[in-house]
Amino acid sequence: DVKVTQSSRYLVKRTGEKVFLECVQDMDHENMFWYRQDPGLGLRLIYFSYDVKMKEKGDIPEGYSVSREKKERFSLILESASTNQTSMYLCASSRGRGWIGELFFGEGSRLTVL
Amino acid sequence: EDQVTQSPEALRLQEGESSSLNCSYTVSGLRGLFWYRQDPGKGPEFLFTLYSAGEEKEKERLKATLTKKESFLHITAPKPEDSATYLCAVPHPNFGNEKLTFGTGTRLTIIP
Repeated sequence: DVKVTQSSRYLVKRTGEKVFLECVQDMDHENMFWYRQDPGLGLRLIYFSYDVKMKEKGDIPEGYSVSREKKERFSLILESASTNQTSMYLCASSRGRGWIGELFFGEGSRLTVL
Repeated sequence: EDQVTQSPEALRLQEGESSSLNCSYTVSGLRGLFWYRQDPGKGPEFLFTLYSAGEEKEKERLKATLTKKESFLHITAPKPEDSATYLCAVPHPNFGNEKLTFGTGTRLTIIP
């Protein structure tokens, strides 16, 4: 069974802390994505990567960075967490660039910043 | 700017009461439209991709249809386990999954 695994389901952090969210996929997909989901706003793309060490900004990259050192792993980093980054974070993967088809999502990481 | 609008925001149905969810879009040159199901506290789960107007796809009690301006997700004789938020999404005309615009979803509740 194909899988996208996010390392933490629930996190509580303090303002100013550095936060790492990890995501691993076992489908040998080239594309990986980080979204955040907020009530009334839907899913918004933060960053995506179409290859190892490659990254592209999505619609809301401010305050975030990413790392993709291995094909199967994509990390989202909040350098200095703020309360407005309290949200559900979703990792996803899919085949290569230009693919029109299924996105596989992880279970999500709910982050609360106090 | 590409827009995807879903209606209604929320829908409560009695078990067995059929209905439809709507997803309207403004993107030109549609290359595909996706439907996902999302259970509370979980990530979205893929249901269907529709590629061209007139196309229909079915899965159990769900049937998705596509016109040039909108898509419908028809739910026939729903059961409580069909309760979830249903999301639709379309890709930017010049990209694939790298640039998806998602609707805000319809929260469906099926009452036993």
